[in-house]
Amino acid sequence: QTVVTQEPSLTVSPGGTVTLTCGSSTGAVTSGYYPNWFQQKPGQAPRALIYSTNNKHSWTPARFSGSLLGGKAALTLSGVQPEDEADYYCLLYYGGAWVFGGGTKLTVL
Amino acid sequence: QVQLQQWGAGLLKPSETLSLTCAVYGGSFSGYYWSWIRQPPGKGLEWIGEINYSGSTKYNPSLKSRVTISVDTSKNQFSLKLNSVTAADTALYYCARQGDGFIGDYWGQGTLITVSS
Repeated sequence: QTVVTQEPSLTVSPGGTVTLTCGSSTGAVTSGYYPNWFQQKPGQAPRALIYSTNNKHSWTPARFSGSLLGGKAALTLSGVQPEDEADYYCLLYYGGAWVFGGGTKLTVL
Repeated sequence: QVQLQQWGAGLLKPSETLSLTCAVYGGSFSGYYWSWIRQPPGKGLEWIGEINYSGSTKYNPSLKSRVTISVDTSKNQFSLKLNSVTAADTALYYCARQGDGFIGDYWGQGTLITVSS
């Protein structure tokens, strides 16, 4: 059973920078896992932010960026806004199946 | 503008079959894959499976024995069937568009499926 791991929770101050990571039980995450990142606020459907490691959708704010960092996929928020408080999920591709991480609850405080 | 509209019965008894359909309006239907994703109350997201225009499917290995995804290209619709449901299948079910290296640029509104005797 493949497991995708994320930090359960992180806290960041408004205006600060935070990096969320996404690891794989199979080893280092590479671009071949096509990392996707989603934001979900209470009562809402997930919203796609990043795809294929570092590509932004047309609606993705510039302060969100994706990368590979230390064998993991990473989502960095620079200049965090109060409205960025949400759950964030990563998604990795395993050659025929997609697996979500457990999610990171980001608190802006 | 692409819109996904989904529907299906929301309350099931254990052992029954879950059935959901998602209609795609606007944009290309044939140029994408189409996915089902679920989220149990208060928990994370789970990818269920995908289908393309020609009917080629891929499923989550943990659900593969109970899942069937089908497509009706004449109506730009795709459907999910999950048989032998239990309380563990209680979740918000979403349909979503999928393409090269991405999932979920467009989502259905979600359907809450409750399995209870």
